[in-house]
Amino acid sequence: EAGVAQSPRYKIIEKRQSVAFWCNPISGHATLYWYQQILGQGPKLLIQFQNNGVVDDSQLPKDRFSAERLKGVDSTLKIQPAKLEDSAVYLCASSLGDTSYEQYFGPGTRLTVT
Amino acid sequence: QKEVEQDPGPLSVPEGAIVSLNCTYSNSAFQYFMWYRQYSRKGPELLMYTYSSGNKEDGRFTAQVDKSSKYISLFIRDSQPSDSATYLCAMRPRVFGNEKLTFGTGTRLTIIP
Repeated sequence: EAGVAQSPRYKIIEKRQSVAFWCNPISGHATLYWYQQILGQGPKLLIQFQNNGVVDDSQLPKDRFSAERLKGVDSTLKIQPAKLEDSAVYLCASSLGDTSYEQYFGPGTRLTVT
Repeated sequence: QKEVEQDPGPLSVPEGAIVSLNCTYSNSAFQYFMWYRQYSRKGPELLMYTYSSGNKEDGRFTAQVDKSSKYISLFIRDSQPSDSATYLCAMRPRVFGNEKLTFGTGTRLTIIP
């Protein structure tokens, strides 16, 4: 079974630039999550999708972050414009979306904003 | 006060030692408790999962939950160098449609050969 795929793995941009991350979840997984993991901290949920719909985006800085999930499969997370404090690893995870407790994480995209 | 507190370490122990990792939490609605292992430059992977209170054992790993004290633990017996990683506790309420995990900061563990 293929895991959660993310690209790019690394990205370096200057502040005020824009950046986009892509995630392909495990086939058949209805729920998709984007997390932000700042160095030395645990992952923090940014947004949760159930199929095409947003379940929770309460911690997404909506003035600069946006996310979409096309056709209930792939997802993109965008930051525009980026700030220095956005430097972090952005993790995508997916789960079956029923009462399953297990979320499967991708390798993450390491973003450095200079 | 953070909802989940975890000693960030780092923690270094000799190979073969018993390792104890702990988290405390404040939200009494948490019902599912997990331990994730995260190797450097990798995503977290689920190691152990426990529902409500009690113990669960899987090979060299034992997870304990004490809801009365709002305290969870992960024990690693006969620790191996391959156990060197960051260990994250995570937890969530028992509400269908709300699978939001709240993570601890992670404990960085090094097993010395």
